[in-house]
Amino acid sequence: AQSVTQLGSHVSVSEGALVLLRCNYSSSVPPYLFWYVQYPNQGLQLLLKYTTGATLVKGINGFEAEFKKSETSFHLTKPSAHMSDAAEYFCAVSSSGGYNKLIFGAGTRLAVHP
Amino acid sequence: NAGVTQTPKFQVLKTGQSMTLQCAQDMNHNSMYWYRQDPGMGLRLIYYSASEGTTDKGEVPNGYNVSRLNKREFSLRLESAAPSQTSVYFCASRGGRAGTDTQYFGPGTRLTVL
Repeated sequence: AQSVTQLGSHVSVSEGALVLLRCNYSSSVPPYLFWYVQYPNQGLQLLLKYTTGATLVKGINGFEAEFKKSETSFHLTKPSAHMSDAAEYFCAVSSSGGYNKLIFGAGTRLAVHP
Repeated sequence: NAGVTQTPKFQVLKTGQSMTLQCAQDMNHNSMYWYRQDPGMGLRLIYYSASEGTTDKGEVPNGYNVSRLNKREFSLRLESAAPSQTSVYFCASRGGRAGTDTQYFGPGTRLTVL
């Protein structure tokens, strides 16, 4: 069975500081990994995804994530936080092929303060 | 190109009432999904439809039924609403070249059951 653990339900950073949101996964098959962002009262928007190939994945809005198989991790980073990054972030895992059912983590709410 | 649309945006029901949540996508995707989002629990899969004419249970199907009306539309029905079904409901569709598929989410329906 697959599962996702996001460490820290709330993260607070200063504007301009590094953003690091942690995600660890469990999967018995090669995983596909995703980060989604949800702004208040909106649906989920894909930030980035890892399927195969390069383990450092770049996404929208300056975010990137690195797939580390040995650590079963897929942490999300951004070098310099902006006020507009305040949102909830979800890490998700799916198995390759099949019907691409996503298993989501509980989410991390990012606050950015001046 | 509207992507994934959901109606209604908000709904309040009394216990025991029934209703249908509507979802449509215009991206010609084969697979569609219904999730519910509850605080601290991320998104959980209720039902999915791998293709027109097929539906399968997800993680939390009890109390729900679905209909894949055609390739575009996938509806979720609550036959007898309960307060435990108070949640935000998201529809998603999946498309893209096999092996790099991504799920695209609608804006959500916020349901309150009194």
